[in-house]
Amino acid sequence: GQQVMQIPQYQHVQEGEDFTTYCNSSTTLSNIQWYKQRPGGHPVFLIQLVKSGEVKKQKRLTFQFGEAKKNSSLHITATQTTDVGTYFCAGHASGTALIFGKGTTLSVSS
Amino acid sequence: EAEVAQSPRYKITEKSQAVAFWCDPISGHATLYWYRQILGQGPELLVQFQDESVVDDSQLPKDRFSAERLKGVDSTLKIQPAELGDSAMYLCASSLATSGGDTQYFGPGTRLTVL
Repeated sequence: GQQVMQIPQYQHVQEGEDFTTYCNSSTTLSNIQWYKQRPGGHPVFLIQLVKSGEVKKQKRLTFQFGEAKKNSSLHITATQTTDVGTYFCAGHASGTALIFGKGTTLSVSS
Repeated sequence: EAEVAQSPRYKITEKSQAVAFWCDPISGHATLYWYRQILGQGPELLVQFQDESVVDDSQLPKDRFSAERLKGVDSTLKIQPAELGDSAMYLCASSLATSGGDTQYFGPGTRLTVL
């Protein structure tokens, strides 16, 4: 069945450093969504990418969808302590449910 | 801002007991999802409703789990009997439609511990 893999599983950075998490799907996706889950919280929707090669920005966050629509990345520039949490990608292939990756947990030290 | 409501927030039970979780989606959201999230992993879909109908329950362990959304609004997820391996966070989410590209809004979850 469809699988969505994320790397790395954990990442620790110093405040101000950049951070990137990568997401790969075993199948071509119709769209990919990114969610953030703060410690003790629930997943919160960040963004959805639909088009091949699409790039979207939200302040310090940059999201990319691969040309083959099988991979995606989230890049955070100049991390802040408020960026702490687990970032999930979730892929949707045609006719299937949304499949979540295992997430990348980001910790930031000041 | 409208939110998905879930109760209880925490539940501790002994194995072989029955437990039930409740979810009230955002008003007007036709689609409701129940997910299970094991610590350190992403949410896994258990069941998806479109109004009162089940759209996908392929990952629901039907020998012990049941879910209903009788009036197409709020929903209940039941486990009977609970097993040790059922300890997890149970998340409810809702979205406007089932286009596949809809934003899913998650509730705060019910943390289940089975002793």
